[in-house]
Amino acid sequence: KAGVTQTPRYLIKTRGQQVTLSCSPISGHRSVSWYQQTPGQGLQFLFEYFSETQRNKGNFPGRFSGRQFSNSRSEMNVSTLELGDSALYLCASSLVGDQETQYFGPGTRLLVL
Amino acid sequence: DQQVKQNSPSLSVQEGRISILNCDYTNSMFDYFLWYKKYPAEGPTFLISISSIKDKNEDGRFTVFLNKSAKHLSLHIVPSQPGDSAVYFCAASAQLGSNYKLTFGKGTLLTVNP
Repeated sequence: KAGVTQTPRYLIKTRGQQVTLSCSPISGHRSVSWYQQTPGQGLQFLFEYFSETQRNKGNFPGRFSGRQFSNSRSEMNVSTLELGDSALYLCASSLVGDQETQYFGPGTRLLVL
Repeated sequence: DQQVKQNSPSLSVQEGRISILNCDYTNSMFDYFLWYKKYPAEGPTFLISISSIKDKNEDGRFTVFLNKSAKHLSLHIVPSQPGDSAVYFCAASAQLGSNYKLTFGKGTLLTVNP
């Protein structure tokens, strides 16, 4: 079974621009969560989607948004990029988003200049 | 407010010896705990988990111990191998209906020396 895939793997943007990252979960998984990893803060939860609905949200500003499609694929968008948004963005999927194991993708490395 | 803490940023052990990685949490609502391993340029890989109804879970060389009264868990790796060198993240979640998110510690870099 194919794992979680994320595209693109690397991205360079400038301040003020916006970016869209994509995540394809493991086949059959309906819950998709997004995390931001930075050296100083570690892994921080952004939001979780299930059946095209955002069920849970972390403490990030409104510039961070996401959506999920009917095939469970998910995208996250960051608008008006800031230097501090440079991070590894990780997507994780699980069957129904209950307390079972989340499986992570390789991440998208975003660099904001 | 860091609800999951891994106070040792790094740990170095000799091949064949035991590695003990520690994790403390403050939220008494947490009832499910996981350990993930992460290599550079890869996403975290699930290692082992434990529910709060247990105090120990074992899987091969990996054992997780949970002390609920102390709000402390630890991951034991025996024997340690050079391939175990990675960053280890402790994570926790609370059973709150269908809301599901993992709260992670900042990780411990384990180096196993040959």
